[in-house]
Amino acid sequence: QITLKESGPTLVKPTQTLTLTCTVSGFSVSASGMGVGWIRQPPGKALEWLALIYWDDEKHYSPSLRSRLTINKDTSENQVVLRMTNMDPVDTATYYCAHRRGYGGTLYDYWGQGMLVIVSS
Amino acid sequence: SYVLTQPPSVSVAPGQTARITCGGDNVGGKSLHWYQQRPGQAPILVVFDDFHRPSGIPERFSGSNSGNTATLTISRVEAGDEADYYCQVSDDSSEVVFGGGTKLTVL
Repeated sequence: QITLKESGPTLVKPTQTLTLTCTVSGFSVSASGMGVGWIRQPPGKALEWLALIYWDDEKHYSPSLRSRLTINKDTSENQVVLRMTNMDPVDTATYYCAHRRGYGGTLYDYWGQGMLVIVSS
Repeated sequence: SYVLTQPPSVSVAPGQTARITCGGDNVGGKSLHWYQQRPGQAPILVVFDDFHRPSGIPERFSGSNSGNTATLTISRVEAGDEADYYCQVSDDSSEVVFGGGTKLTVL
């Protein structure tokens, strides 16, 4: 059974760096074909894709946020970590990590419960 | 960047058929997926690769994709179908685009 769970700070100050961790179970982040992505959703707004990392460490980022994002994986802990620099109140959102299916085009077939991150001084 | 356009809202009476559209330039040439998101919950995949249903999704949910429009059809709508629905595509570089979402209201 595949599960994902996000963790990290619920409140960050403007200009700070946000670090979120996605702990997965039911699959290995280093297993061939595996991928984990991050998606966010501001309150009352649409989903926005942020980043994706594959088992072989190939990484992809949203073009509009590329300069602020870093995605990595920790195979020993079976985790994926997202860093977002220079946080702003407009980055207030629920952040989700999700499992990318292991074949074909990208879709996310399992999602974490999400965690709300508020950016405020 | 690629844009997917959805109507902000669709309303339908129980038992009727709801159709939610997703427009994009030659979207019919891409694999399109649909997610359902109930209030306060994470999205769940309801249709993938244009018209396939994941295990556990009722047959009432179906999809089509041709030309510049993809459509999610929900037959015999129930109160529990009330949710936001998002379409999604990806390009060859694994970049993902979501539509703006459609709120389905069951009258």
